[in-house]
Amino acid sequence: KAGVTQTPRYLIKTRGQQVTLSCSPISGHRSVSWYQQTPGQGLQFLFEYFSETQRNKGNFPGRFSGRQFSNSRSEMNVSTLELGDSALYLCASSLAGGTGVGEQFFGPGTRLTVL
Amino acid sequence: AQSVTQLGSHVSVSEGALVLLRCNYSSSVPPYLFWYVQYPNQGLQLLLKYTTGATLVKGINGFEAEFKKSETSFHLTKPSAHMSDAAEYFCAVSFSSASKIIFGSGTRLSIRP
Repeated sequence: KAGVTQTPRYLIKTRGQQVTLSCSPISGHRSVSWYQQTPGQGLQFLFEYFSETQRNKGNFPGRFSGRQFSNSRSEMNVSTLELGDSALYLCASSLAGGTGVGEQFFGPGTRLTVL
Repeated sequence: AQSVTQLGSHVSVSEGALVLLRCNYSSSVPPYLFWYVQYPNQGLQLLLKYTTGATLVKGINGFEAEFKKSETSFHLTKPSAHMSDAAEYFCAVSFSSASKIIFGSGTRLSIRP
């Protein structure tokens, strides 16, 4: 069974640009969550999508948005990039109906560098 | 407010020694508790989880953790450290089927030869 895949694995952008990251969950998983990981702030929850609806949201500005498609694949978009957006962005999928039950399976992450 | 605290951002032990990584949570309702491990340049992998039932939980790679409600703790242990255990470890907590998981700040485990 294929794991969670994230594309691209590495990305370099400049300030002011926008970026879209993609996540394909494990087959059959309907919940997809996104996290930002930085050395200073650690692992921070961005949002969770379940059956194409955003169900939980972290404390990030509106520049961070996401969506989920009918096949459960998810995209995350960051507009007007800032230097502080440089981070590892992790996607996790879950079989269960909520992030609080069952195991979350993480992808390898997308390393975003903003210059 | 619910939260999780990992004591010690960096722990160093000798190969063969006991590994003890500490995690405390704050919650007004029964929690679900998790330990994840992250190796360099990889995503997180679940080591073990506590949902209900037995309070001593065994995970992969010889790790185990004990849920102690009275101490609001879920410490991770391994009797004998291996060099391959060097990684970052995250404790996490959630509280309902629809709630988000809250992660601790992580503990980096180093193993001395």
